[in-house]
Amino acid sequence: DIVMTQTPLSSPVTLGQPASISCRSSQSLVHSDGDTYLSWLQQRPGQPPRLLIYKISNRFSGVPDRFSGSGAGTDFTLKISRVEAEDVGVYYCMQATQFPLTFGGGTRVEIK
Amino acid sequence: QVQLVQSGGGVVQPGRSLRLSCAASGFTFSSNGMHWVRQAPGKGLEWVAVIWYDGSEKYYADSVKGRFIISRDNSKNTLYLQMNSLRLEDTAVYYCARWGWDRRPDYWGQGALVTVSS
Repeated sequence: DIVMTQTPLSSPVTLGQPASISCRSSQSLVHSDGDTYLSWLQQRPGQPPRLLIYKISNRFSGVPDRFSGSGAGTDFTLKISRVEAEDVGVYYCMQATQFPLTFGGGTRVEIK
Repeated sequence: QVQLVQSGGGVVQPGRSLRLSCAASGFTFSSNGMHWVRQAPGKGLEWVAVIWYDGSEKYYADSVKGRFIISRDNSKNTLYLQMNSLRLEDTAVYYCARWGWDRRPDYWGQGALVTVSS
């Protein structure tokens, strides 16, 4: 199974300041079809997960452009350019390159 | 708009069975694969199972293989998870999620709490 490791576990951020979350996979997420199936999800308190980013850097419909994804191979990053109050929650990376699908342990974003 | 409405959660004793349902609307259900993902209290997300758009292929996490069965009825636009031989460690909120283009889990149900307790 592919192990997904996220850092940091928690990220206290001042409103309006940037935040960055790292995700590392135990093996390359490049699929045999050439694509890399790495997604980022946000889970606000008491809510189901919500898709933010898919295939490393593609924003899903309705996701603000302050969210961006980057990376390749085994190292990936989610960035929030200016954190807003509604961004509080837990963020997960997820790989869908290989079964079983696996998630990172989550990073909690909170306001200082 | 895409909606996934879940039902069937509850409290069940160890060793017993429970079936979850996920009713889909707002898209062509028979064109999409579907997942079940769970989240134990205070923990992260754990993938449980996936079923292809036509039911032809199914994959399971090792933790549920041989006990859980994923299925779908495309005529009813509904996804199911039959959970047998339930264990204490199966206690979690269970989410259904659509398997969209580019392998993205793009829409999620509201979740159903399953509590396994004696």
